[in-house]
Amino acid sequence: QKEVEQNSGPLSVPEGAIASLNCTYSDRGSQSFFWYRQYSGKSPELIMSIYSNGDKEDGRFTAQLNKASQYVSLLIRDSQPSDSATYLCAVDLAGGSNYQLIWGAGTKLIIKP
Amino acid sequence: DADVTQTPRNRITKTGKRIMLECSQTKGHDRMYWYRQDPGLGLQLIYYSFDVKDINKGEISDGYSVSRQAQAKFSLSLESAIPNQTALYFCATSDSQPQHFGDGTRLSIL
Repeated sequence: QKEVEQNSGPLSVPEGAIASLNCTYSDRGSQSFFWYRQYSGKSPELIMSIYSNGDKEDGRFTAQLNKASQYVSLLIRDSQPSDSATYLCAVDLAGGSNYQLIWGAGTKLIIKP
Repeated sequence: DADVTQTPRNRITKTGKRIMLECSQTKGHDRMYWYRQDPGLGLQLIYYSFDVKDINKGEISDGYSVSRQAQAKFSLSLESAIPNQTALYFCATSDSQPQHFGDGTRLSIL
C-alpha cells in the first residue's frame, strides 16, 4: 500500500513566525511532489510543486525535497492569519504514466495573531 | 467563470436514490478525475479518465459509475445512494501535472 503521511495537527504558529509542515512518502520511485492549501469547505489549491532534491522558493513559501529520506516539507515564512488552512501533500504514483496522485490526510495550520 | 465547474454545489437526498454529479471544464485538459473527501481523511480517487474512450477505476470505485461525454465533461453517478457515501466530492483536471480542482459538491444522503 503506497502511502503519504502527514501530522494531522493542528499546528499552531504565532503570526510572523515560520511554519514548518512535513510529509513522508513510501514509494521510492515517486518523482513529483505537490503542496496544496485547502480552506475549510473549499477546494484544494496548488501552492508549490517540486521535482528535484533541494529547495524551491516562491515568495513566502519554500518546498524542500529529500528523496533519499523520502520526505518533503513546506516552510511558510512571515506567517499570516490568512495562511490558516489545511495543507495537503500529494505525491505521484511512481512509474505511472497515468499521473495518479496519492494524497496525505493534511495538516491543519493555525496562525495566531 | 470557473475553469472547472461542478454541479450541483450541494445536494441532500435519500437512501436508494440515483444521483448524478456533473463536471465541466474549459481548460482543454484531457485528464479528468473524481475524488471524495471525508473529514480528517485525504482525497480518495474514485475514477479517472484520460480521454473519452479511456476510463479507469480508482481506489474506491464500488458503488459509483462515470461517463465521459466529451473532453470537457465527466459525470459521476451513484446508482443507489447509501448514507456512507455522504462526503465532499471534487472533480479535477490536468494536462500532465498538477491537478486543478472544481469547487466541490457537498452530498448528504439521509
